[in-house]
Amino acid sequence: KQEVTQIPAALSVPEGENLVLNCSFTDSAIYNLQWFRQDPGKGLTSLLLIQSSQREQTSGRLNASLDKSSGRSTLYIAASQPGDSATYLCAVPGNTPLVFGKGTRLSVIA
Amino acid sequence: GAGVSQSPSNKVTEKGKDVELRCDPISGHTALYWYRQSLGQGLEFLIYFQGNSAPDKSGLPSDRFSAERTGGSVSTLTIQRTQQEDSAVYLCASSLVRLAGTGEQFFGPGTRLTVL
Repeated sequence: KQEVTQIPAALSVPEGENLVLNCSFTDSAIYNLQWFRQDPGKGLTSLLLIQSSQREQTSGRLNASLDKSSGRSTLYIAASQPGDSATYLCAVPGNTPLVFGKGTRLSVIA
Repeated sequence: GAGVSQSPSNKVTEKGKDVELRCDPISGHTALYWYRQSLGQGLEFLIYFQGNSAPDKSGLPSDRFSAERTGGSVSTLTIQRTQQEDSAVYLCASSLVRLAGTGEQFFGPGTRLTVL
């Protein structure tokens, strides 16, 4: 059974700092991995999807890496801004269409 | 084009009543998913539709929950005889996919259900 873990559960950083969010999964036989952002009271916004054959994907200040063999993915956020404050979730296909981690709640302080 | 839409955005109901939640996926997306997010819990898969295939209902928590998808587009999630533990945000997603979960999923804003 696929399980997804995200650490830390919460993170607070000053504006401008670069930061890394971690995601680990127990079954490395994944098809892809998706990172989402969720603002309070809102749905999920897809940030990046990495196929299993890829090592990383970039979108603006976001860079996601994938190491299937070790069951890990990281989301790197460069030059963080207060508008980046949200909960970040990673998810992989598993015994259900997507298995989610519990997320990292990020606060960027101006 | 328009994203995934859900209605209502908020629903307050009394214990024992039935509720219907609606999801309108992105046009052309063949797969539609329902998830539930309870306070302090992660996202929980409920049901998955892919084209004309029989839906994957493996995540439905009880037989009070059912869903249908008409014409391969709009979906309705029905909860009968609601209980307080059904209170949660119900999220719908859609994707272009051939295999479950392998396509990028796009989520709607959710319906917040409160059962009094």
